[in-house]
Amino acid sequence: QSALTQSASVSGSPGQSITISCTGTSSDVGSYNLVSWYQQHPGKAPKLMISEVSKRPSGVSNRFSGSKSGNTASLTISGLQAEDEAHYYCCSYAGSRIFHVVFGGGTKLTVL
Amino acid sequence: QVHLVQSGAEVKKPGASVNVSCKASGYTFSSYGISWVRQAPGQGLEWMGWISAYKGNTNYAQKLQGRVTMTTDTSTGTAYMELRSLRSDDTAVYYCARNVGGAFDIWGQGTTVTVSS
Repeated sequence: QSALTQSASVSGSPGQSITISCTGTSSDVGSYNLVSWYQQHPGKAPKLMISEVSKRPSGVSNRFSGSKSGNTASLTISGLQAEDEAHYYCCSYAGSRIFHVVFGGGTKLTVL
Repeated sequence: QVHLVQSGAEVKKPGASVNVSCKASGYTFSSYGISWVRQAPGQGLEWMGWISAYKGNTNYAQKLQGRVTMTTDTSTGTAYMELRSLRSDDTAVYYCARNVGGAFDIWGQGTTVTVSS
């Protein structure tokens, strides 16, 4: 199973909006509404930001939103803040009868 | 509070095995699956496999088949991951994470495994 494709880096100024894309295939992103997004700061464990394409867990800012079209999922962060600078990883369910997921390679967000 | 607490850092020689534990608290352990995810230095996240804490059935990433075994002890609420025949490219931070649907909502703090002669 190949990794999902993410751009290596993205940047934006405080207050701006950015979108990170995550491209998979018809066997993973395109088949299941089970795409999740994770934020990871250096030296820390990943943190769930979006599940099931667009659901925000309790405590996650509404500046984070997710969507999907075909084989591509997207994470949008609006009103960029300095603390949003981190790596972001997408993940998609890829199993059929048993749990199996695949991660994207990660995108480094720089807040200018 | 829901927590996953992992065992401490390990240093192993090539060819050896490592066993990492992940103790759950604050929820009914058998109600959720547990996945193991690793991250090599400066690299991205790699899913290693999944175990149902209820039934104990597993699914491992193809590249690790034959070298990895995941188990759980429901009496203590602990998950274990054993990786055998260690190589230098197994050097990584290893995380356990609780599965909810297709996502990972709770993560352990990570266990650094260093493979070096």
